[in-house]
Amino acid sequence: GAVVSQHPSRVICKSGTSVKIECRSLDFQATTMFWYRQFPKKSLMLMATSNEGSKATYEQGVEKDKFLINHASLTLSTLTVTSAHPEDSSFYICSAIWSTRGGAAGSTDTQYFGPGTRLTVL
Amino acid sequence: GQQLNQSPQSMFIQEGEDVSMNCTSSSIFNTWLWYKQDPGEGPVLLIALYKAGELTSNGRLTAQFGITRKDSFLNISASIPSDVGIYFCADRNSGGSNYKLTFGKGTLLTVNP
Repeated sequence: GAVVSQHPSRVICKSGTSVKIECRSLDFQATTMFWYRQFPKKSLMLMATSNEGSKATYEQGVEKDKFLINHASLTLSTLTVTSAHPEDSSFYICSAIWSTRGGAAGSTDTQYFGPGTRLTVL
Repeated sequence: GQQLNQSPQSMFIQEGEDVSMNCTSSSIFNTWLWYKQDPGEGPVLLIALYKAGELTSNGRLTAQFGITRKDSFLNISASIPSDVGIYFCADRNSGGSNYKLTFGKGTLLTVNP
């Protein structure tokens, strides 16, 4: 099946610094990628939809200036957590839609998830 | 927005036992998806259901899309230790072109050898 990678797998940073997380679709092109956040023993919460060549669409309550998303190519989306604080510590997971027909996603296209990035802000 | 209720929240079973978990929604769904998440990993799709009444198997896993389109269950037969993980049901919002997923709260499965 399709493979999605994330880098880094875990990162520890100091409060106030910015952290960039990369999400790559390794063997397919993804017009649309998604970024999720997961707290311990909790479900995945969608943060934003990343669209190649256009601005990301953020879910209600997610600060777009805090979580910068760039989808510069069909295989790469990045999430930058700016001025990170301890409450930003979480497990960040991306996903990408693999269209079996190429082009725009269809109703049965599958969303593949990356392995996640564990962010710890000290 | 739509709400997904997943139960049970956790299960502790012996190896070899069968497992059943389910999800209900407050609104009609067009798609039910079942994912498994291993510790420290991203979710992996197990089964996708697209039609009311659909019953689909994937090895020892079986899932059904409820007739009312507001519920789904996932069964695991003859559980093994590697079945340990969190199982999530999810709906895909097919409005527009985003296909966003809404996840249930998950069922944590522990299998004792």
